[in-house]
Amino acid sequence: SAVISQKPSRDICQRGTSLTIQCQVDSQVTMMFWYRQQPGQSLTLIATANQGSEATYESGFVIDKFPISRPNLTFSTLTVSNMSPEDSSIYLCSVEQGAPEAFFGQGTRLTVV
Amino acid sequence: KQEVTQIPAALSVPEGENLVLNCSFTDSAIYNLQWFRQDPGKGLTSLLLIQSSQREQTSGRLNASLDKSSGRSTLYIAASQPGDSATYLCAVRHHTNAGKSTFGDGTTLTVKP
Repeated sequence: SAVISQKPSRDICQRGTSLTIQCQVDSQVTMMFWYRQQPGQSLTLIATANQGSEATYESGFVIDKFPISRPNLTFSTLTVSNMSPEDSSIYLCSVEQGAPEAFFGQGTRLTVV
Repeated sequence: KQEVTQIPAALSVPEGENLVLNCSFTDSAIYNLQWFRQDPGKGLTSLLLIQSSQREQTSGRLNASLDKSSGRSTLYIAASQPGDSATYLCAVRHHTNAGKSTFGDGTTLTVKP
């Protein structure tokens, strides 16, 4: 199974600033995803991170707010831009291998004050 | 649009009890179904993956079943322990939605010593 390292594990940020979250996988993977989990809710897919091309965003999410990079098959970043308290959530990186089976990082717990 | 529902939303049981968590989905054209465990403020840990052609999967004290025709899956936990306390999420991957999963809202389980 894939081992995913996500950094930072948590952060408290001022509104109006930006935070970049890193996701490092221990093996090359084709599919990488970014999810958001708002307090008390389930996971919502933000985008699919495509290697070497622009990410594919889900309805309600835009590149200006959540720019994503995927420079190679083992690494991706998600930036939460111009943050507001409504962006306080857990952000999760996910990859797929095998069956395919989904694997998740430990998440980044973001609090915007 | 696929919708995934988990019942109950919360469950509290005494240690040692056997229990069943339920997951239902509206579109039976799925590729696979995956059960996850999430500890508070953390990422997701994959428990069991069931392919659309399979009826059940077992791992230790966990058994997951799948009935595609009725749009249901169950997660059976035998001889529950306090360490099983967590939120359990099911996720359904649609066969035409390459790589994307729809998550239920989860069942929060508390096992009392």
